[in-house]
Amino acid sequence: NAGVTQTPKFQVLKTGQSMTLQCAQDMNHNSMYWYRQDPGMGLRLIYYSASEGTTDKGEVPNGYNVSRLNKREFSLRLESAAPSQTSVYFCASIVTSGKYNEQFFGPGTRLTVL
Amino acid sequence: GNSVTQMEGPVTLSEEAFLTINCTYTATGYPSLFWYVQYPGEGLQLLLKATKADDKGSNKGFEATYRKETTSFHLEKGSVQVSDSAVYFCALTNTGNQFYFGTGTSLTVIP
Repeated sequence: NAGVTQTPKFQVLKTGQSMTLQCAQDMNHNSMYWYRQDPGMGLRLIYYSASEGTTDKGEVPNGYNVSRLNKREFSLRLESAAPSQTSVYFCASIVTSGKYNEQFFGPGTRLTVL
Repeated sequence: GNSVTQMEGPVTLSEEAFLTINCTYTATGYPSLFWYVQYPGEGLQLLLKATKADDKGSNKGFEATYRKETTSFHLEKGSVQVSDSAVYFCALTNTGNQFYFGTGTSLTVIP
């Protein structure tokens, strides 16, 4: 049981380049999330997917697209990277037990856009 | 709307000192409240939780009590260790689908 995995761990892009961040979970969770973490800003939600086949915008979706490929995988795409997208990106999934929801986080992808 | 406010860091304490990290929230209805911890180079891990008013969450010597009257969920530990050095995030969810995080408080414990 690997939990939530993310690839790559580190990436450097030039302005205007595109890339896809990959996320997978093996816990059979329905909901998956992409966050970005910036100094002094905490975690901000980019997109989430409540179930396979659905995606919704979070707080900061501009410049990103997502795909919920299947129940396990949720990818984040930057079509034309900008320096403002330099950040650490975290994928998470949620287990629901009654009223209680717990998020499980991946190890993160550190992205630098030059 | 929903939001979480945490005390500014960084916090530096000597080993065995008492720790308090303040967290207050704004939310409609009756949110669930969480503390997450992030060790260097890692993702966030759930530290403790509380799902209703007056609940006390506890784990690894850390405690936090859900206070609806003061809309607070302060994190406390009686005696910190060097291994507690990390960034701590307060968070809430109302719907179970969207989580709202504070800005994080960095804690450094020195021997």
